[in-house]
Amino acid sequence: EDKVVQSPLSLVVHEGDTVTLNCSYEVTNFRSLLWYKQEKKAPTFLFMLTSSGIEKKSGRLSSILDKKELFSILNITATQTGDSAIYLCAVEVVTNAGKSTFGDGTTLTVKP
Amino acid sequence: NAGVTQTPKFQVLKTGQSMTLQCAQDMNHEYMSWYRQDPGMGLRLIHYSVGAGITDQGEVPNGYNVSRSTTEDFPLRLLSAAPSQTSVYFCASSWGPGSPLHFGNGTRLTVT
Repeated sequence: EDKVVQSPLSLVVHEGDTVTLNCSYEVTNFRSLLWYKQEKKAPTFLFMLTSSGIEKKSGRLSSILDKKELFSILNITATQTGDSAIYLCAVEVVTNAGKSTFGDGTTLTVKP
Repeated sequence: NAGVTQTPKFQVLKTGQSMTLQCAQDMNHEYMSWYRQDPGMGLRLIHYSVGAGITDQGEVPNGYNVSRSTTEDFPLRLLSAAPSQTSVYFCASSWGPGSPLHFGNGTRLTVT
């Protein structure tokens, strides 16, 4: 059974702090790992990672994948209150196209 | 461009009632899926479809039916509602393997 574990489950920081969110996985025939941000409603896509060691970056957010150790991290620098959200990690496998397995998410709260 | 549209936004059912959650997308995506989100449990896959006429079960399919007669629509039917089905339901679509999910805004269902 495919498994995705995120840590921590929740995190409270102050504006300006840097945070690191973790996602580890145990799947067969890995295809890709995706990060999503969920504010009040629908999750929205952040990054897709398929290769080890290649950093994806968008503004203050960045992410990297380690396929040997089976994990990914999402970094947010200089956090702002608008970064408060649930961050979801999902993994796709080659053999079951159309299925994404999600972790339980990390709830990030950024205080002014 | 509407993206993924879910109706209704809110619904209250009594135990034993049936209903259909509607999902439509206008992006010509082949892949569509239904997830439920419970507090602290991330997104769990109910059913998914890789094209019109093709559906398959996800992690938590019991008590739900789906059909996919057109590329655009993917309704989710609750056969006999139970309190355990109280949740937020998200419909999602994507181009295919290795492409990110686009989510609807969710349906909040309460079963009393």
